[in-house]
Order: sequence, then C-alpha cells, then structure tokens
Amino acid sequence: AAGVIQSPRHLIKEKRETATLKCYPIPRHDTVYWYQQGPGQDPQFLISFYEKMQSDKGSIPDRFSAQQFSDYHSELNMSSLELGDSALYFCASSRKGLAGSTDTQYFGPGTRLTVL
Amino acid sequence: LAKTTQPISMDSYEGQEVNITCSHNNIATNDYITWYQQFPSQGPRFIIQGYKTKVTNEVASLFIPADRKSSTLSLPRVSLSDTAVYYCLVGDEDTGRRALTFGSGTRLQVQP
Repeated sequence: AAGVIQSPRHLIKEKRETATLKCYPIPRHDTVYWYQQGPGQDPQFLISFYEKMQSDKGSIPDRFSAQQFSDYHSELNMSSLELGDSALYFCASSRKGLAGSTDTQYFGPGTRLTVL
Repeated sequence: LAKTTQPISMDSYEGQEVNITCSHNNIATNDYITWYQQFPSQGPRFIIQGYKTKVTNEVASLFIPADRKSSTLSLPRVSLSDTAVYYCLVGDEDTGRRALTFGSGTRLQVQP
C-alpha cells in the first residue's frame, strides 16, 4: 500500500539559511500534518491542512510557514534557521472520518534536518 | 496539560506478553484512544485504536474498561523487534482538533 512520502530524507543547512521540506500524502487523504521531533523528545505538532486550507496550528515558529497544494502535497518552509531547529520533521496524512468517528494518521519516514 | 500518563519504561523478555497501561482520567465522551509505536529515527506507526471494551487486530489488543479512564495495550509474545517507544493518545473530538498531542511514551525494551 502507498505510504506517505517525504523529501528530502536528510538535509544539512547552515544557520540563517532556508529549507523546504516536502510531503506527499497517501492518495485520497485530504489532511496533512507536520510534526517536529527534537533529539530525545516526543513529536510536537506544528501545523495541519485540510483540503488545502490551514486547519490547525500548534507550536510552529513564525519563521516557519507551510501550505498544501492542489494535488494535496504539502511543503514546510523554514527560514532563518537556528541550531535548535535541528530535528526530525514528520509529515502525517489522514482522511477525515465520518461524524462520530475519528481518522487515523499515517506518518512518513521523516526528514532529518541538521543545522550547522 | 498532559492528557495521558504512561510508565516511562518497561522491560520484558522474548515470548512474554506485555501490557502497557495508560491513564486518561479526563477523557471526553467522544474521544477515541489510539496507540502508536515508534522506532528510533522513524515515524510513529499506528498500532490500534478503540473507543470502549476490547479491540483486537493482528498486532495487538486494546482493553478499555467501562469508565474509559484508562486503557491497556497488550502485545502478545513480544520479540526483540518490538523494542520501541509506545505512545497512548486520546483524541480531541470535543474541540474538533485532529492533530495528535504526544505525551511521554513508554520505552519498551525486550531482552533475549
């Protein structure tokens, strides 16, 4: 079965540079979520999109932005990178369930961002 | 505010059954309970989800008592490859928020 695809898998940047992470959700999934997981930490929700509109916002820094495109893929743009941005960035996708049910999120393999 | 509480770590041996209990005293009426497994440097993987009583799939069972204030993930006959972090998450149906709030999971170590 098709899974969530993320690219690149690894990315090395210098401080103050920019980075763009891409996520391709499972076909027919309408919602994309972005999570950040620092070393030794638990995943933290950043932002999500449903049907190409931002649906929820978590602890996403102002330096970061994201969008979902017409083909449902999403991009996370990160500017003025800091050392503390070094982390694993996961994308997850789901399909909105019917009322009274809940959808299941499926995670991609992640992008490991290293800021030097 | 953390919505779930799990043991920080557990140890087991191959072939044993492992039960990980999660406390969610403030669970809302419409919340579902979902468990994820995460290996180092990999994305969390969905294991099982339930609302009440018992749910079983090919990987695990989930037991939820009538008051739904806790749940127990049961892994039958664990192997070394089950060594991972296990997260218990409670849905946020009351607020409509679909994003997952990860608490501190349970680090399961399976020994030979």
